Amino acid sequence: DAGITQSPRHKVTETGTPVTLRCHQTENHRYMYWYRQDPGHGLRLIHYSYGVKDTDKGEVSDGYSVSRSKTEDFLLTLESATSSQTSVYFCAIGTSGRVDTQYFGPGTRLTVL
Amino acid sequence: GESVGLHLPTLSVQEGDNSIINCAYSNSASDYFIWYKQESGKGPQFIIDIRSNMDKRQGQRVTVLLNKTVKHLSLQIAATQPGDSAVYFCAEALNNAGNMLTFGGGTRLMVKP
Repeated sequence: DAGITQSPRHKVTETGTPVTLRCHQTENHRYMYWYRQDPGHGLRLIHYSYGVKDTDKGEVSDGYSVSRSKTEDFLLTLESATSSQTSVYFCAIGTSGRVDTQYFGPGTRLTVL
Repeated sequence: GESVGLHLPTLSVQEGDNSIINCAYSNSASDYFIWYKQESGKGPQFIIDIRSNMDKRQGQRVTVLLNKTVKHLSLQIAATQPGDSAVYFCAEALNNAGNMLTFGGGTRLMVKP
């Protein structure tokens, strides 16, 4: 998966608890993205980053925050998890901002009870 | 890896036959279209893209056709192989920026030996 790892790979948590998902890359790519994948919706962009400390919102950013203090790590935080955030979360990286340079990680399955 | 267990439209083809996967897109202003392949337990993988000023583009064993009049996109896979079994997603965007994609719901391709 092009030098992308996601952790944890599976997580079960309870409503109202904070959760942080980590995306780590070894490619030194400038761009990093967080998507969620749900039945019937394909992938939807949550947040993305175009450099260290440079982030912006995507289509479904409510309830999520991100941080990027180092090139290699992009963290996605659910401050207070809700059942509607049960999903599979994918991180992607890219050398440029172009779609055809994006590579996806293996995903994290998050279940909020 | 992770994948989403979905009640997806399914196309079942015999090994060696050609496959055609269809997609209807929603925004007539979209300028850029992409097909992704997602194997079980993995993240999506870029297959081929096409700009709106083209009707057809060919890759290795794959062809994408674009019909802007009816907002329809198709992916043709020649001589389908067992390794082609996966979920295929189309995506559209106003441009080729990685933060601008809108994904479709996906089609599952099953290749029978």
